[in-house]
Amino acid sequence: EIVMTQSPATLSLSPGDRATLSCRASQSIGNNLAWYQQKPGQAPRLLIFGASTRPTTIPDKFSGSGSGTEFTLTISSLQSEDFAVYYCQQYNDWPRTFGQGTKVEIK
Amino acid sequence: QVQLQQWGAGLLKPSETLSLTCAVYGGSFNDYYWTWIRQPPGKGLEWIGEINHSEITNYNPSLKSRVTISVDTSKNQFTLKVNSVTAADTGVYYCARSPRLITSSAVTSYKLDFWGQGTLVTVSS
Repeated sequence: EIVMTQSPATLSLSPGDRATLSCRASQSIGNNLAWYQQKPGQAPRLLIFGASTRPTTIPDKFSGSGSGTEFTLTISSLQSEDFAVYYCQQYNDWPRTFGQGTKVEIK
Repeated sequence: QVQLQQWGAGLLKPSETLSLTCAVYGGSFNDYYWTWIRQPPGKGLEWIGEINHSEITNYNPSLKSRVTISVDTSKNQFTLKVNSVTAADTGVYYCARSPRLITSSAVTSYKLDFWGQGTLVTVSS
């Protein structure tokens, strides 16, 4: 099983700050990585797939990068609605696996 | 607009069978993999398994001995069953859609682009 490790566990930032979230895979997964945002009481929402591709409904303040084992999600300028938990997920192999999540909280 | 609507029993006793169904509205049912994910209270996401319209399944080995995912293409629905539940199976269960990714060597699932609303399942005696 591919283990996905996210860091940090919690990111305390202020509105307007730039957020940088990391995700590491235990083996190479190419660019077979997605990022999701989850707010309390809601289902996750797809933000990024293919490591760097945004669905058309996702604003360009969200960007993804990386390949192989190291990946990054960047939120360019945090707004109130961006404070949430973010998960990475690999789909290079079965079982699909998620990271443990990074909580972006208001400082 | 694509919608996934799920339902099932929310309170179970240990050793009972969990059963959840997800109905898909909008889109072509046969062009996707249909997935179940769960989330224990206050914890992260766990992928349970997936199925396509041809009933090809992939399961998480950690649950495979107790899990069955089935599909009813006539109703655009898919179902999750988990046998012999314990308190460790308590959590929110989500259904989700994954488009097919066609590569040079295989057809596979990838991003989870639409999700159901989630169902809280509690296992308690």
